[in-house]
Formats: sequence, structure tokens, C-alpha cells
Amino acid sequence: AQSVTQLGSHVSVSEGALVLLRCNYSSSVPPYLFWYVQYPNQGLQLLLKYTTGATLVKGINGFEAEFKKSETSFHLTKPSAHMSDAAEYFCAVSDLSGNTGKLIFGQGTTLQVKP
Amino acid sequence: DTAVSQTPKYLVTQMGNDKSIKCEQNLGHDTMYWYKQDSKKFLKIMFSYNNKELIINETVPNRFSPKSPDKAHLNLHINSLELGDSAVYFCASSQEVGYLSEAFFGQGTRLTVV
Repeated sequence: AQSVTQLGSHVSVSEGALVLLRCNYSSSVPPYLFWYVQYPNQGLQLLLKYTTGATLVKGINGFEAEFKKSETSFHLTKPSAHMSDAAEYFCAVSDLSGNTGKLIFGQGTTLQVKP
Repeated sequence: DTAVSQTPKYLVTQMGNDKSIKCEQNLGHDTMYWYKQDSKKFLKIMFSYNNKELIINETVPNRFSPKSPDKAHLNLHINSLELGDSAVYFCASSQEVGYLSEAFFGQGTRLTVV
């Protein structure tokens, strides 16, 4: 069975500082990985996804993530945090057992950005 | 135009009542989903429909019944509501069924059972 684990339920950074949100996955086959963002009282929005090919994936709003098979990781980064980045971030893996489009989510990480 | 829209956004109801949440997508997608987000913000899939056919039914109490009258709509009906049903319910859609499909989410319905 596939799963994802997000390390750190709460991350706090200063405005302008590097953002690093950690995600590790478990999968017996090459995974398809996603990062979603949830702003307060809103739905989830896709930031980026990794399927195959280039391991460094660029997303919206200046975010990127690197797929590292050796470390089973897919960490999300942004060089310089903005106040508007404060939100809940979810890492997810696509369930490959049934090709149903089902997403398996991590526990989420709350990003706080301090002025 | 909102791509995936849910109504209502907030729903407060008493235990034992029956309620429905409606979802509509105008993206022309074939697949729609219901996810539940609990109080710890953990998201888990409940149901998925592809072309009006049920393809995922996770271990959800049978008090929950999805209905898809057409490809653009997936409604969620809940009978005999319990306190533990309080959560945020998200509808989502994707262009096709499959593990590469990007899911587009609605803004959620916050259900509070009192």
C-alpha cells in the first residue's frame, strides 16, 4: 500500500526566508506525487505534480519540489516566503492499485509566515 | 465561473437529521469525487464516480449515499446524521479516471452536527 508522511505538522518561517516542507512516500512502484495548498476556508489547489521525467518540478507561486528516489522524498521548497504563502500544504500520492484517480494524502503541514 | 462548486458552504444540523450536499463541475470532466476532511485536517476519499458509474466506495457508513444524475453533478446524501459526521466535505473532479489525473477541488462544505 502506498502512503505519504509529512514531517512537521507546523512550520514557521520569516518573510523572505526559505520555505522547506518535507514529504516522504512509501511505494513499491514508481509513485505519482502531488503537492496541494489549502488557503483558509478554501478548497485545495494543485501546486505541482511529479509523474515521470525530470525530478525537479516547478509549480505555481514560485514553489518547486524535487523527487529523490533514493531518499523516498518529495520535499517542497520556495526560496523566499511571502505572507500570502501562509496556508495548509498537503503532499499526496496517487493510488496505483486501481487506477481510479484516488489520492492518498499526508497529514498536512501548516505554514506560518512571520513578518 | 467557479470550476467546482458546492452548496451549501456551511451546514449546521441536529443529530438524526437527513441532509444533502450538492456539487457541480463545469470543467467537462468525467470523474468526480467526495473527500472528507476531519478536525485534524486529514483528507480521505469517500467516493468516486466516472461517467455516472461508482468506481470507489471506501469504507463509508451506508448512511452516506452519493448520487450522480449526470457527469457534471455528484451529490452526497447523509441519513441519520451523527456527531462524528462533523467535518469538511470536499467535492473534486478530474478529466479522466486514472493516476495521472489532476483533481480540481471545490471550496468545501463545513458540516456541523449538534
